[in-house]
Amino acid sequence: AQKITQTQPGMFVQEKEAVTLDCTYDTSDPSYGLFWYKQPSSGEMIFLIYQGSYDQQNATEGRYSLNFQKARKSANLVISASQLGDSAMYFCAMSNTGGFKTIFGAGTRLFVKA
Amino acid sequence: ETGVTQSPTHLIKTRGQQVTLRCSSQSGHNTVSWYQQALGQGPQFIFQYYREEENGRGNFPPRFSGLQFPNYSSELNVNALELDDSALYLCASSLAGDLADTEAFFGQGTRLTVV
Repeated sequence: AQKITQTQPGMFVQEKEAVTLDCTYDTSDPSYGLFWYKQPSSGEMIFLIYQGSYDQQNATEGRYSLNFQKARKSANLVISASQLGDSAMYFCAMSNTGGFKTIFGAGTRLFVKA
Repeated sequence: ETGVTQSPTHLIKTRGQQVTLRCSSQSGHNTVSWYQQALGQGPQFIFQYYREEENGRGNFPPRFSGLQFPNYSSELNVNALELDDSALYLCASSLAGDLADTEAFFGQGTRLTVV
């Protein structure tokens, strides 16, 4: 069975500093995708970044990068130069081959301090 | 703007009633997934429809059912509502297939309150 684990219920970071949000996963599927989503208090889910299991390079999207360590089954999100608007819930998610049945972790609430 | 819209945005129902939530997916997307998100938790996978057939189901009882239509719209139906069904219900549309890049686009959700 697939499983996503986010062990940090809440994180604090100073504005302009970098922060790492942890995510570990478990799957027996040889091909899978890993995602990070941001959910502000408004409730919408905003796609941030994607990493395919066969991608050799770590994914980057602007201030977001995904530290993918396949052997450790970890897919940590790194946010550089934090901004006050980054305060939100962050969810790690995984889909199996073909993008079916995406499952989510419990989330990490990030607080950015001025 | 994700191109995915859900209706209604808020809903209050009484225990034992039935409810239908609606989702309009992005044009061309062949897959829609429904999630239940209780307050302070991550979204829980309810089920997924691929080309109008149920393709997978999470740990939800049969009173949760759905439909997907050819016009990229879909429904989530919940019968015999219970208080624990109170949650944010999210639909996500995607173009699933053999390619790995299958980002899901979410609607803004329907907040259901059962009293």
